[in-house]
Amino acid sequence: GAVVSQHPSWVICKSGTSVKIECRSLDFQATTMFWYRQFPKQSLMLMATSNEGSKATYEQGVEKDKFLINHASLTLSTLTVTSAHPEDSSFYICSARELVYTGELFFGEGSRLTVL
Amino acid sequence: AQKITQTQPGMFVQEKEAVTLDCTYDTSDPSYGLFWYKQPSSGEMIFLIYQGSYDQQNATEGRYSLNFQKARKSANLVISASQLGDSAMYFCAMREGSNFGNEKLTFGTGTRLTIIP
Repeated sequence: GAVVSQHPSWVICKSGTSVKIECRSLDFQATTMFWYRQFPKQSLMLMATSNEGSKATYEQGVEKDKFLINHASLTLSTLTVTSAHPEDSSFYICSARELVYTGELFFGEGSRLTVL
Repeated sequence: AQKITQTQPGMFVQEKEAVTLDCTYDTSDPSYGLFWYKQPSSGEMIFLIYQGSYDQQNATEGRYSLNFQKARKSANLVISASQLGDSAMYFCAMREGSNFGNEKLTFGTGTRLTIIP
């Protein structure tokens, strides 16, 4: 199957700093990528839909100024957590659909963010 | 109301036995898709099986099968001959609407499956 890679896989940062997480489709072009957030022992919650070359669509309750999403190319989407606080500590997972949509979504390995 | 409900937070199953993970869903859209994902402790989401609302037959993928009961709005995952490597979190998810142009998934709360040797 297609491969989606996230980087970094884990990151620790100080409160108030910004952290960037990358989501790359390694062997296919992804017009659309999705960013999810997962708190410990909880389910995945969709944060936003990222479309190449256009603004991301955020789910209700997600602060777009805090979680900046950029989808500059068909293989890369980035999520930047700005002015991170301890409550932003979570597991962030991206998924991607291929240019020629086959019905399947491919997930990255996830990025664990810990804000001190 | 919850769109995806998984009522079993945790299950313990003896190795080699079959296991059924429950999932019920709620939607008024006649076109939808149901997914099962496995999430091991490492965190990645592994796609297991997919069932479309218009599919006539229950989906099967190796040891995984989906018991799709449309009238009851249930989509239970059946794992036959469980193995130690099956120990993980299992999530049921739904995509409402047709395949194209609407790929947002709503996930259930998950079931932690532990296989006992």
